[in-house]
Amino acid sequence: EAGVAQSPRYKIIEKRQSVAFWCNPISGHATLYWYQQILGQGPKLLIQFQNNGVVDDSQLPKDRFSAERLKGVDSTLKIQPAKLEDSAVYLCASSLGRGGNEKLFFGSGTQLSVL
Amino acid sequence: QKEVEQNSGPLSVPEGAIASLNCTYSDRVSQSFFWYRQYSGKSPELIMSIYSNGDKEDGRFTAQLNKASQYVSLLIRDSQPSDSATYLCAVGPMNRDDKIIFGKGTRLHILP
Repeated sequence: EAGVAQSPRYKIIEKRQSVAFWCNPISGHATLYWYQQILGQGPKLLIQFQNNGVVDDSQLPKDRFSAERLKGVDSTLKIQPAKLEDSAVYLCASSLGRGGNEKLFFGSGTQLSVL
Repeated sequence: QKEVEQNSGPLSVPEGAIASLNCTYSDRVSQSFFWYRQYSGKSPELIMSIYSNGDKEDGRFTAQLNKASQYVSLLIRDSQPSDSATYLCAVGPMNRDDKIIFGKGTRLHILP
């Protein structure tokens, strides 16, 4: 069974530029998550989708971050414009269902460096 | 603000010894508890889940849960150098609309 696919693996941009990340979850997983993990910190949820609807985006900086999951499968996360503090690893995860007892399967992540 | 607290470490344990990792959480009605292992430069990987008070064993790993004390721990027996990683504690809420909260992780270093 294929895991969660993410691209790109690494990205270096200058501040005020834009960047986009892509994620394809495990087949059949209804719930998709985008996490931000700053070095030395635990993952912080940015947005959670259930199929193609948003369940939680309370910690998404909506003035610069946007995400979509068209057709309830793959998803993109965009940052525009990027700030220095956005340097982090962006992890996509998926789970079969929705709820606090779900086991999360993570992709390999995208390491973003904003200069 | 719901929180999950872990000692950031590093925790250094001799090879072959027992490593004990601890986690406390603030939301008393939390229902699900997870331990994820994250190697340097890699993504988190689930290694244990526990939902009821008591112990749950899986190979060299034992998860312990005490809901009254709001405390969950992970024991690793016969520690191996390959166990060197950051261990993230994650807590799931009772309300399915609430999100899973991760701790900052404990760095574990197994000394050969």
